[in-house]
Amino acid sequence: QVQLVQSGAEVKKPGASVKVSCKASGYTFTSYYMHWVRQAPGQGLEWMGIINPSSGSTNYAQKFQGRVTMTRDTSTSTVYMELSSLRSEDTAVYYCAREILRVAGVPDAFDIWGQGTMVTVSS
Amino acid sequence: QLVLTQSPSASASLGASVKLTCTLSSGHRSYAIAWHQQQPEKGPRYLMKLNSDGSHSKGDGIPDRFSGSSSGAERYLTISSLQSEDEADYYCQTWGTGIRWVFGGGTNLTVL
Repeated sequence: QVQLVQSGAEVKKPGASVKVSCKASGYTFTSYYMHWVRQAPGQGLEWMGIINPSSGSTNYAQKFQGRVTMTRDTSTSTVYMELSSLRSEDTAVYYCAREILRVAGVPDAFDIWGQGTMVTVSS
Repeated sequence: QLVLTQSPSASASLGASVKLTCTLSSGHRSYAIAWHQQQPEKGPRYLMKLNSDGSHSKGDGIPDRFSGSSSGAERYLTISSLQSEDEADYYCQTWGTGIRWVFGGGTNLTVL
């Protein structure tokens, strides 16, 4: 079945970086855009950015530009999200989410979510 | 600016129906949205995509108790025959021109 399986929880110190993985299975990895979304404790969902697994092209929310890097490995059907210069406000659950297959290149909603990865930033 | 507005909370009795609302900001009333459910301590789950004309397509395995409708800038999620497992946060999502995806603040649904 279609699923996204993310890497385990991380604890990082302020100023460090974290890299979260998201392994896709059950579908053609390069045909679907992938997004990253985060959720701080008790808060709502916040979109971080998008990667095209076919080309590797990315686009990041303005808030995260300069601190986030999204990459992919087509040989393992895995996307990665690296966030640098971590601060306490980055403590959150990070989700990958697959976008619905685009028709005529038109963006769409998210239909599959990973289970989430808790990242805790604490000294 | 593309913004989605949701009431922070809602409640309804077991077995009853509830209608949740998501409002699109001015100038964006033609946009489609998606509804996602997040049960306590779980990740989000896609429920459906809802168009401005009220047509909708649900995710795999989503029960018939979940339906969507639209009126102007309002997008609705109706849950009938409420069950205890429907107690969750419900988020609407939309996507705009350029590269941006937006979520509403979420509605916390309590099943009494």
